[in-house]
Amino acid sequence: GQNIDQPTEMTATEGAIVQINCTYQTSGFNGLFWYQQHAGEAPTFLSYNVLDGLEEKGRFSSFLSRSKGYSYLLLKELQMKDSASYLCAATDSNYQLIWGAGTKLIIKP
Amino acid sequence: GAVVSQHPSWVICKSGTSVKIECRSLDFQATTMFWYRQFPKQSLMLMATSNEGSKATYEQGVEKDKFLINHASLTLSTLTVTSAHPEDSSFYICSARDSSDTEAFFGQGTRLTVV
Repeated sequence: GQNIDQPTEMTATEGAIVQINCTYQTSGFNGLFWYQQHAGEAPTFLSYNVLDGLEEKGRFSSFLSRSKGYSYLLLKELQMKDSASYLCAATDSNYQLIWGAGTKLIIKP
Repeated sequence: GAVVSQHPSWVICKSGTSVKIECRSLDFQATTMFWYRQFPKQSLMLMATSNEGSKATYEQGVEKDKFLINHASLTLSTLTVTSAHPEDSSFYICSARDSSDTEAFFGQGTRLTVV
């Protein structure tokens, strides 16, 4: 079956760095997305990785290893507004999005 | 990024009535639209996928006669919850993409409460 695993919850301190991991098993693979979702709101797009390696976008970076079925989202210089759920989603051979359950990130002062 | 507008943002309806939720892509042509349902503190659950001009593909366990999806144009898809019941109360979110290898953009979501 198809499966996405990510931690349920993580806690970090304002100003610090946090890495949210995601492992996936899908029927075929056509890229991996990261989304941010604040409580009560719809998800917003953060990143899309197709090739192996690290993609940096300001304070957020996303890494992909296709051979390991692994990705992570790295958040630097954490701010209180970064408190949210972070959703990992992989696209399978039919370009269907397979969603993880999300990682709730709690930022403490 | 591209804009997807979903309307209404929230709706309260009486049990037995029908509710229509609209999802519009404002600055791109949405060849594919997705409808999701999300319960509190849970992940997105895909309900159906629709391609413009063709019938929606429903996920297993989703009643297509209860959740009517219409994708009549490249910029508009609608989800109608028919004969709504309290257990249909949820957060419904649409998303759209213009091709298979691009990111999906989300609407703002609709919080439905059936009383």
